[in-house]
Amino acid sequence: EAGVVQSPRYKIIEKKQPVAFWCNPISGHNTLYWYRQNLGQGPELLIRYENEEAVDDSQLPKDRFSAERLKGVDSTLKIQPAELGDSAVYLCASSIGRVHYEQYFGPGTRLTVT
Amino acid sequence: SQQGEEDPQALSIQEGENATMNCSYKTSINNLQWYRQNSGRGLVHLILIRSNEREKHSGRLRVTLDTSKKSSSLLITASRAADTASYFCATDVKYGNKLVFGAGTILRVKS
Repeated sequence: EAGVVQSPRYKIIEKKQPVAFWCNPISGHNTLYWYRQNLGQGPELLIRYENEEAVDDSQLPKDRFSAERLKGVDSTLKIQPAELGDSAVYLCASSIGRVHYEQYFGPGTRLTVT
Repeated sequence: SQQGEEDPQALSIQEGENATMNCSYKTSINNLQWYRQNSGRGLVHLILIRSNEREKHSGRLRVTLDTSKKSSSLLITASRAADTASYFCATDVKYGNKLVFGAGTILRVKS
């Protein structure tokens, strides 16, 4: 079965510019997650969707970050405007059920803000 | 904040040796999961152990969980160069509905 697909794999932008990341989860997985992973750290949850509904966005910096999951499948995470501190790897994951199940991760998007 | 803390931060062993990594956490959990991350395959789920389980095996992996000490260990037996990666424990926090990852242990297996 196809895994979680993310694009782009790498992105370099200047600060104050907008950027968007796209994720296509595994077919049939109704729960989708966006994580941010800083260098030398583990992933930290930004937002979790169950179908179309964002059920946990408590860690999403809402002043500059936004996300959507249209039709309960693909998802987009946007940053506008980007700051130097946003440089990180952004990971998308999906699971067949709620968080109590194993999660399948995409390859991530490495964002560099200059 | 990250609930899980792995120990050691880095580990270097020879091929064929066993590798043991430990994870400590702070609050009650539903389950604890171990993931591996390397540059080639990204973050991959290895094993899940529920709070009412004490030990679980999967191939060369053995995971133990001691909820009274709030700790877990991951043992990789007969290590191979391909096991070189970062290993993360992730706790499914009770009533939290989220996985909280530790900072990871970097394992290097020398051939």
